[in-house]
Amino acid sequence: SQWGEENLQALSIQEGEDVTMNCSYKTYTTVVQWYRQKSGKGPAQLILIRSNEREKRSGRLRATLDTSSQSSSLSITGTLATDTAVYFCALRTNSAGNKLTFGIGTRVLVRP
Amino acid sequence: AQTIHQWPVAEIKAVGSPLSLGCTIKGKSSPNLYWYWQATGGTLQQLFYSITVGQVESVVQLNLSASRPKDDQFILSTEKLLLSHSGFYLCAWVRDRDEQYFGPGTRLTVL
Repeated sequence: SQWGEENLQALSIQEGEDVTMNCSYKTYTTVVQWYRQKSGKGPAQLILIRSNEREKRSGRLRATLDTSSQSSSLSITGTLATDTAVYFCALRTNSAGNKLTFGIGTRVLVRP
Repeated sequence: AQTIHQWPVAEIKAVGSPLSLGCTIKGKSSPNLYWYWQATGGTLQQLFYSITVGQVESVVQLNLSASRPKDDQFILSTEKLLLSHSGFYLCAWVRDRDEQYFGPGTRLTVL
């Protein structure tokens, strides 16, 4: 199967620090989405970046997309303890039904 | 505003017993609906999707089935649970072409 992959699986940082997580993928995609999942909850979409965009910002979040290297990153500036979660990248692959393929996730622990 | 509900919140079932999980979307007509499964500590795996009433496509075979009996309802079921069915089941709908919104999930433990 064709899965997105995160390069880092677990991070522990101090509140206020910045954090960046990466996602590299092997399949063609036109859309990369980043989701955050807090413990016991469903994932929530944070940011969506399309293949014609190199960077997208939303508040403290910044996503980049490099289609030539097939990689995307998500950065969070000035982290808060409430940013503690698992972060997934997800690829919309060009198969029927708007299939989303999720990466393995990066667990981020922000220490207060 | 659209809302998504899943029931039950959690289930503990015996191996070999039947299962039925439900998902309802309110405030959105003819949504695209999806079922996902997530092992504890794992990633999300798309199981089924449905574009319209009575139509369901399987993405991954896990000895589960899905049905879309109403426009706003998506059901996941099996007649015989396996230990490997344990996990977190999530229903999602598509607000527009690419953005998927997830429900609160159902935690299933098979003993």
